Amino acid sequence: AQSVTQPDIHITVSEGASLELRCNYSYGATPYLFWYVQSPGQGLQLLLKYFSGDTLVQGIKGFEAEFKRSQSSFNLRKPSVHWSDAAEYFCAVGGPFGAAGNKLTFGGGTRVLVKP
Amino acid sequence: DGGITQSPKYLFRKEGQNVTLSCEQNLNHDAMYWYRQDPGQGLRLIYYSQIVNDFQKGDIAEGYSVSREKKESFPLTVTSAQKNPTAFYLCASSIPGQGTETQYFGPGTRLLVL
Repeated sequence: AQSVTQPDIHITVSEGASLELRCNYSYGATPYLFWYVQSPGQGLQLLLKYFSGDTLVQGIKGFEAEFKRSQSSFNLRKPSVHWSDAAEYFCAVGGPFGAAGNKLTFGGGTRVLVKP
Repeated sequence: DGGITQSPKYLFRKEGQNVTLSCEQNLNHDAMYWYRQDPGQGLRLIYYSQIVNDFQKGDIAEGYSVSREKKESFPLTVTSAQKNPTAFYLCASSIPGQGTETQYFGPGTRLLVL
């Protein structure tokens, strides 16, 4: 069964500092990986996705993520955080062959707080 | 603008009552999904539909029902059998392809029990 673990429930970072959010997944084949961001009381917005190819993926809002197959990880990074990046971030995994109805499995989320 | 709309934004349910959450999309997507979000648990899949007049149970379907009579619409009914319905409900849609395609989310409905 596929699963996603986001080890950090909360992260506090100073504005202008770098940010890294961890994501570890379990999937029996080549995974499709996603990062979403959610502002309080809102839906989810896609930041970036990895299907194949270059393991370093660029997304919106200055975010990037690196797929490391050997570590089963897909960590999200941003070099310099802005106050508007305060939100909850979700990592998700799906499959390449339409298995299980193309279901996405989400991690528990990491809430990011930004200090001025 | 294309997108997904969910209504209402807040919904109150009395004990023993069935309530229906609306989800409409004008993205021309074939697949639609319902998720439940509880604090600290991420999103869990309730039901999904890959095509009109067909839908499948997700991981936590008990106490919920859906219909898919139109491509644009995928309403979710929270029945009285769902004993703990208080949560944030998110609808999503995607284009089914060879694998897991990107899912686009609506703004959500928060369900509260009176």
